[in-house]
Amino acid sequence: SQKIEQNSEALNIQEGKTATLTCNYTNYSPAYLQWYRQDPGRGPVFLLLIRENEKEKRKERLKVTFDTTLKQSLFHITASQPADSATYLCALPPLSGGSYIPTFGRGTSLIVHP
Amino acid sequence: DAGVTQSPTHLIKTRGQQVTLRCSPKSGHDTVSWYQQALGQGPQFIFQYYEEEERQRGNFPDRFSGHQFPNYSSELNVNALLLGDSALYLCASSTRDTAGKNIQYFGAGTRLSVL
Repeated sequence: SQKIEQNSEALNIQEGKTATLTCNYTNYSPAYLQWYRQDPGRGPVFLLLIRENEKEKRKERLKVTFDTTLKQSLFHITASQPADSATYLCALPPLSGGSYIPTFGRGTSLIVHP
Repeated sequence: DAGVTQSPTHLIKTRGQQVTLRCSPKSGHDTVSWYQQALGQGPQFIFQYYEEEERQRGNFPDRFSGHQFPNYSSELNVNALLLGDSALYLCASSTRDTAGKNIQYFGAGTRLSVL
């Protein structure tokens, strides 16, 4: 079955630096990959989607890359701010064509220190 | 435009009891999915409702059941509660856009504590 791996250890960085989070997957060749942000006690919020034929996608201070050879996506936040502190989840589309449910990783917690 | 709303926000139950959680989808969405999220884990899919039918189900026992109403709102019922059912229960709505991106729009969740 498909497996999604995100670093379970929190990432601590200083304000103004670039945060880089990793999502690795196995046993799958997804047509796209999604990133969500989740604040404590809240539901995830969709941020970005990147397709398999896109190497890079940007949205304001966010940048996502997708390497289908390495089976990896990197999520970057440039000029990070304390308000960026949250858990970031990656999600893959359904494994089978008959399913409509994305599979979520466990997420990586980002803590930006002032 | 109201987003996904869930009620109640918090709930405390004891083992063996039954619970009903409610969800109203985002305006224009016809599909509702329910997820269970334990602390430190990603959301785990429970089931999805579309056109008042359970369209797909995750790996959860039949103590977990649901319903979708004609106005697309939904309920999640859990019977014979176990301590391990303590979690954040998330409702997500979606509609399959032409690109089939399956973006999930989540509510704030219901925090269920089973004592």
